[in-house]
Formats: sequence, structure tokens, C-alpha cells
Amino acid sequence: QKEVEQDPGPLSVPEGAIVSLNCTYSNSAFQYFMWYRQYSRKGPELLMYTYSSGNKEDGRFTAQVDKSSKYISLFIRDSQPSDSATYLCAMKRTGANNLFFGTGTRLTVIP
Amino acid sequence: ETGVTQSPTHLIKTRGQQVTLRCSSQSGHNTVSWYQQALGQGPQFIFQYYREEENGRGNFPPRFSGLQFPNYSSELNVNALELDDSALYLCASSPRTSGGDTQYFGPGTRLTVL
Repeated sequence: QKEVEQDPGPLSVPEGAIVSLNCTYSNSAFQYFMWYRQYSRKGPELLMYTYSSGNKEDGRFTAQVDKSSKYISLFIRDSQPSDSATYLCAMKRTGANNLFFGTGTRLTVIP
Repeated sequence: ETGVTQSPTHLIKTRGQQVTLRCSSQSGHNTVSWYQQALGQGPQFIFQYYREEENGRGNFPPRFSGLQFPNYSSELNVNALELDDSALYLCASSPRTSGGDTQYFGPGTRLTVL
């Protein structure tokens, strides 16, 4: 079993839709949770960073962490064609050096 | 503020050859991590460098090695290249204050092994 599971999609939505992206994980020691956006042939760009459980909002993006269920989510409101990319969840244990990534979900927002 | 930069952008090698990839960390960042991202997969941790010393390593063989320089830039060296080494190699740097928790990625080097 992988430590981080993420549905690879692809996911296609019309412009203006609310997008929900999710990851599950098995290691209860993960304390730091991140979402990265990766455009084709580019490096991952940090979107959201959350410590422990709770919600965090930044513009059209909301990240949620439910540690009791080992489940994290990213919501994108009023989705735009420019949001079309692969979204990677990542997580880390306190004091560890490395990030554990999901496989990424490929999102297409159709104008 | 300059972000993480990597060179070259892409390169093609043949099996058995050696390759060196380079990374310049973002200003103020003292920790550099390297990841391998195969097509359709998430990045996999190779190793991390802090104060010019290896500071953690993933499940990669010794033919993957690295260096960090006093200006915090870094190199990834891969010897005896194999076909499965074809991937996007990503460098990530972390700010001095975060202890490696917040990693910012460069654009990557795409390596093709024939």
C-alpha cells in the first residue's frame, strides 16, 4: 500500500465549477500537508500549506485536513481554464526531510 | 527574488553513461532536496543536502550521489545510467527558518536515457 493515495483522474469540469481534489494517507505521523500545482513540463508550484488538522483558505482555494480520517482535500471555487494542470498532494512528518507525494490528479477546466 | 533554477532543461544520454544536473537554490534558502518524477507519477525523494552534508536519503542506489556548495547550490550525479532513470529531476530548496518544511521546486531537468 502506498503511503499517499490520490485518484489520477483525469477530471474535466466546466468553467465556473467547484472542483474537489482529495488524497488519503496511511501514516498517522504526517503533520504537514501541501498542495502543489504542476503545469505540463514544469516544476510543481506550492499552492497551499497546512499544519495538522483544519481548514485554510487563500483566494479561490481552500485546503482541508481531517487527520482522524487521514483525508485531505483541495477545493477550487469558480474554476478557470488557467487552473488546468496536475494537482499533487504532499505530506511530511515532523523532523523528516522528505515529502511524500500522491500521483497527482490531472484537471481540465473547459471554457 | 530569484526562484530555484536548474540546468540543463533537458538532455539525452545513453545507457551506462554518467550525468550531472545542477540546481541553484532560492535566495535565503540553505537546504536543497532532489526528487525524481517518472511520467504520470508523483515526485520520489532522492536525498537532501544541508550545510554541504547529505541530510537524508530515499530508496535510491549509491550511483545517485550529490553535492552542495557553500553558496547552497547543488549537483545531482547519476552514474551507470539505466533506461529507468529517464524522468524529470526536480530540485527543491527550503528557507533557513523552516527547517525544510516548505519546499519550493525548480522547473526540473528532463533526462532521457536511450
